[in-house]
Amino acid sequence: QKEVEQDPGPLSVPEGAIVSLNCTYSNSAFQYFMWYRQYSRKGPELLMYTYSSGNKEDGRFTAQVDKSSKYISLFIRDSQPSDSATYLCAMSASGGSYIPTFGRGTSLIVHP
Amino acid sequence: EAGVTQFPSHSVIEKGQTVTLRCDPISGHDNLYWYRRVMGKEIKFLLHFVKESKQDESGMPNNRFLAERTGGTYSTLKVQPAELEDSGVYFCASSQVFPGLAHEQYFGPGTRLTVT
Repeated sequence: QKEVEQDPGPLSVPEGAIVSLNCTYSNSAFQYFMWYRQYSRKGPELLMYTYSSGNKEDGRFTAQVDKSSKYISLFIRDSQPSDSATYLCAMSASGGSYIPTFGRGTSLIVHP
Repeated sequence: EAGVTQFPSHSVIEKGQTVTLRCDPISGHDNLYWYRRVMGKEIKFLLHFVKESKQDESGMPNNRFLAERTGGTYSTLKVQPAELEDSGVYFCASSQVFPGLAHEQYFGPGTRLTVT
């Protein structure tokens, strides 16, 4: 069983839709939860991170962490064609661990 | 401020040849990390430099991979001799804080390595 599971997609939605991206994990030591956006031929760019459980909102993006279920989500409201990219979840343990464990990424396509 | 840069953007070599990848971190960042993404798999950690010292090289796959960071600025990752399974995208990241947290790392655009 992989430590982090993420459906690679692709996920195709119309412009303006609400997008839900998800990851599950098995390591209960994970405390930091990150979402990265990666455009084609570019490196991962940090979108949001959350420490422990709860929600975090930044503009059209909302990150949720449910540690009891070992499940994290990223919601994108009013999706735009410019949101088309691969979205990677990543996690790391507390105690100064700086090595993230990544999911495989979900390819998102927002069509006009 | 310039971001993390990597060179070349794409390299195609034959099995058995040598390739050297270069990473220039963000100016002032003492921490430099190498990661790799093999086709269809997740990004995986290779190693971590603090200045010129290797802090953690637990992710290096085998002794065909040699990473250096002379002078504590840019880093090179040499693969010698390259094998087919080395194909993938090699990312470099840097951060200012030690030991730093995962979300404090800034990634470069990656070098796509194709071994034929």
